[in-house]
Amino acid sequence: NAGVTQTPKFRILKIGQSMTLQCAQDMNHNYMYWYRQDPGMGLKLIYYSVGAGITDKGEVPNGYNVSRSTTEDFPLRLELAAPSQTSVYFCASSRRQINTGELFFGEGSRLTVL
Amino acid sequence: GESVGLHLPTLSVQEGDNSIINCAYSNSASDYFIWYKQESGKGPQFIIDIRSNMDKRQGQRVTVLLNKTVKHLSLQIAATQPGDSAVYFCAEKSGSQGNLIFGKGTKLSVKP
Repeated sequence: NAGVTQTPKFRILKIGQSMTLQCAQDMNHNYMYWYRQDPGMGLKLIYYSVGAGITDKGEVPNGYNVSRSTTEDFPLRLELAAPSQTSVYFCASSRRQINTGELFFGEGSRLTVL
Repeated sequence: GESVGLHLPTLSVQEGDNSIINCAYSNSASDYFIWYKQESGKGPQFIIDIRSNMDKRQGQRVTVLLNKTVKHLSLQIAATQPGDSAVYFCAEKSGSQGNLIFGKGTKLSVKP
């Protein structure tokens, strides 16, 4: 049982490039989330999903896209990378809505846009 | 806007002492709170949670206190150990979708 797995762990992008951050969980959780964490700041919700085929915007969705074709996978897409997207990205999952259980986080993907 | 914040950005304690990490929240409608621990280079890890109908909840070496009157949350760690060194975040549930709003974090350093 690996929990939440994120790839890649590190990536450097040039401005305007695109990439996808991968996230997979093997706990059969319905809810999945993408957060970004800037230095000295708390986590900000980018997108979330309550189940396969359903996604919704969080607090800071601009510049990102997501899809949820399976329960296990929740990739985050950056279409035109900008320096403002330099951050550490965390994927998380939960069995139920966040008032009855905790989030399980991956170890993060550190992205630098130059 | 509604926000969750922390009183102290850094806290240094002696090994064996008790630690208290504080958090203020501004949304009086928040009904669920969580504390997370984040070690360097890792993702946040759940520590303990509390609902708004409770004032206190205890776990293993940790206690969370909720004071709704002053909208204050605290995490107490008993007999702090070097392995407790990390950044601690409080988070509140906000809105009907149950999304969490995280505070900025407090760095706890434990001196041997």
